[in-house]
Amino acid sequence: AQTVTQSQPEMSVQEAETVTLSCTYDTSESDYYLFWYKQPPSRQMILVIRQEAYKQQNATENRFSVNFQKAAKSFSLKISDSQLGDAAMYFCAYRSPEDRPLVFGKGTRLSVIA
Amino acid sequence: NAGVTQTPKFRILKIGQSMTLQCTQDMNHNYMYWYRQDPGMGLKLIYYSVGAGITDKGEVPNGYNVSRSTTEDFPLRLELAAPSQTSVYFCASCRDRANQPQHFGDGTRLSIL
Repeated sequence: AQTVTQSQPEMSVQEAETVTLSCTYDTSESDYYLFWYKQPPSRQMILVIRQEAYKQQNATENRFSVNFQKAAKSFSLKISDSQLGDAAMYFCAYRSPEDRPLVFGKGTRLSVIA
Repeated sequence: NAGVTQTPKFRILKIGQSMTLQCTQDMNHNYMYWYRQDPGMGLKLIYYSVGAGITDKGEVPNGYNVSRSTTEDFPLRLELAAPSQTSVYFCASCRDRANQPQHFGDGTRLSIL
């Protein structure tokens, strides 16, 4: 079974600075999909970014980008120019190509300091 | 543009009571999921469904039941509420393809006293 590990329970960043959240996963599959979700205090689960394992190019969405290292099974999220609204729980998730449910990590709580 | 709608948003139950958490989606998604999120923790899968009439257990199914009679609706039933079921419950749905993200409802905060 696949597992997702987020080794940083909490992180903090100064406003306008850059922060990287770590995620590693364990799988024997060669093709799969990875996601980062954001959960602000409102509890909504919001998709931040996704990456398809067969694509070598790292995904980017505005200030959010990933560093996908397939051989190392690593999928870190970089947030540039951090804003107060970025403060939230961030969850890394893995999905098998066989359409099984998402497997989530335990999350990283990000604080943004003004 | 409703997306995934969960009701109720909050509920307090007494031990041993029963209730149904409602979930409906208007995106014609075949895949639907129920998760629970305990304080400070990640999401754990309770049950999921890949289409009407088909359901399957997730990681923590004990104490819960589901049904999927229509594409739109995926209710979660608690038969005998226990304090360990105090949690926030999320319903989600997605398209049939693995690269599609899950769309989440706003959650139901359930307390068992």
